[in-house]
Amino acid sequence: SYELAQPPSVSVSPGQTARITCSGDALPKQYAYWYQQKPGQAPVLVIYKDSERPSGIPERFSGSSSGTTVTLTISGVQAEDEADYYCQSADSSGTYVFGGGTKLTVL
Amino acid sequence: QLQMQEWGPGLVKPSETLSLTCTVSGGSISSSSYHWGWIRQPPGKGLEWIGTIYYSGSTYYNPSLKSRVTISVDTSKNQFSLKLRSVTAADTALYYCARKGYCSGDNCYVLVGEAFDIWGQGTMVTVSS
Repeated sequence: SYELAQPPSVSVSPGQTARITCSGDALPKQYAYWYQQKPGQAPVLVIYKDSERPSGIPERFSGSSSGTTVTLTISGVQAEDEADYYCQSADSSGTYVFGGGTKLTVL
Repeated sequence: QLQMQEWGPGLVKPSETLSLTCTVSGGSISSSSYHWGWIRQPPGKGLEWIGTIYYSGSTYYNPSLKSRVTISVDTSKNQFSLKLRSVTAADTALYYCARKGYCSGDNCYVLVGEAFDIWGQGTMVTVSS
């Protein structure tokens, strides 16, 4: 089955840049999406189509893609950005998959 | 503003069928631009896509759950439902319903592509005797 691989955790100090990667064989052909999930809350879409930002999402959130890896970048990290982040994509058969999630800790 | 709300029993016995419904308000489930999906999250774990349905009734399931899952839609009630058969403790999870944009090949009908852009608050289902 198709899988997306994310690091379990990333730690960064306030004001620094956090980068969270997501790797998958189909990513060169399929868009990736990123979700932020805070404790006790439903996930929130923060990046769509690899690098687009929904309205209402701060500009410090950005996405990029290179080959089989997509990256969520949070510039100038704030304490409120501490959360779990999930990438999501699809395979060629129309099956959707989420990465295992990355816990972002703001030191 | 479209909202989604899951509801159903919070406790299901092993080997029985888990049944949940998602009510969509503030928008039509019959929109040709969206699919409607179920996603679950076991306690302390990550997200797992269960399946999605189009208003026409076309369904797409996670291969790992396909043999036990049925998703259906009732456009007259603006609802869609999940049935998961023969449940075990491993099916204990927070179950979310969500709206997903629809793309056909390279053509996407909404700006966000195939993202799950609106989610319900989730409903916890425990499998236990």
